[in-house]
Amino acid sequence: DAKTTQPNSMESNEEEPVHLPCNHSTISGTDYIHWYRQLPSQGPEYVIHGLTSNVNNRMASLAIAEDRKSSTLILHRATLRDAAVYYCILGVYNFNKFYFGSGTKLNVKP
Amino acid sequence: DGGITQSPKYLFRKEGQNVTLSCEQNLNHDAMYWYRQDPGQGLRLIYYSQIVNDFQKGDIAEGYSVSREKKESFPLTVTSAQKNPTAFYLCASSIGQALGDSPLHFGNGTRLTVT
Repeated sequence: DAKTTQPNSMESNEEEPVHLPCNHSTISGTDYIHWYRQLPSQGPEYVIHGLTSNVNNRMASLAIAEDRKSSTLILHRATLRDAAVYYCILGVYNFNKFYFGSGTKLNVKP
Repeated sequence: DGGITQSPKYLFRKEGQNVTLSCEQNLNHDAMYWYRQDPGQGLRLIYYSQIVNDFQKGDIAEGYSVSREKKESFPLTVTSAQKNPTAFYLCASSIGQALGDSPLHFGNGTRLTVT
């Protein structure tokens, strides 16, 4: 099964950049890297996804290592509303299956 | 607005009773999923369906059953055979191209408590 490894928790100061790491050493060449975030008692929210190239959207940037065994979600200026659990998961080619780990709990300090 | 609706938000049942959780989507997505989340844990896949009238077991299907008679609906039944049914249940959908690049859209969950 495709699996990811993330730190249990991270802390950031408000208005500073945050880099959330993810290791996925067993990734195959066709697996997409997805990031979601979840607030307490809510469903996860899609943040960003990519395959090989770095990706940017209005919420965040995704930096993917050249060997694709790791990736980093970048929040350019953390706000208090960004405090959540962030999940890095792999979208497996030819299957509509997504595997979630325990995620990284991000705490943002004012 | 398109989205996924899960109902009810909170559900209480006595041990030994079956209970059905509702999930409806109006996104015209082919694929739908059920996940279970326990406190402080990630999401675990219960069942998923790629098309109408077809579904597959996920990692923790024992004690659960599903049906997919309509594209819009994917109800989950928690049976009395499920040993620890108290959990937060999340329904999701995706376009279903099976390429791994379709984002998941989640509902806001149903918190089931069995006593």
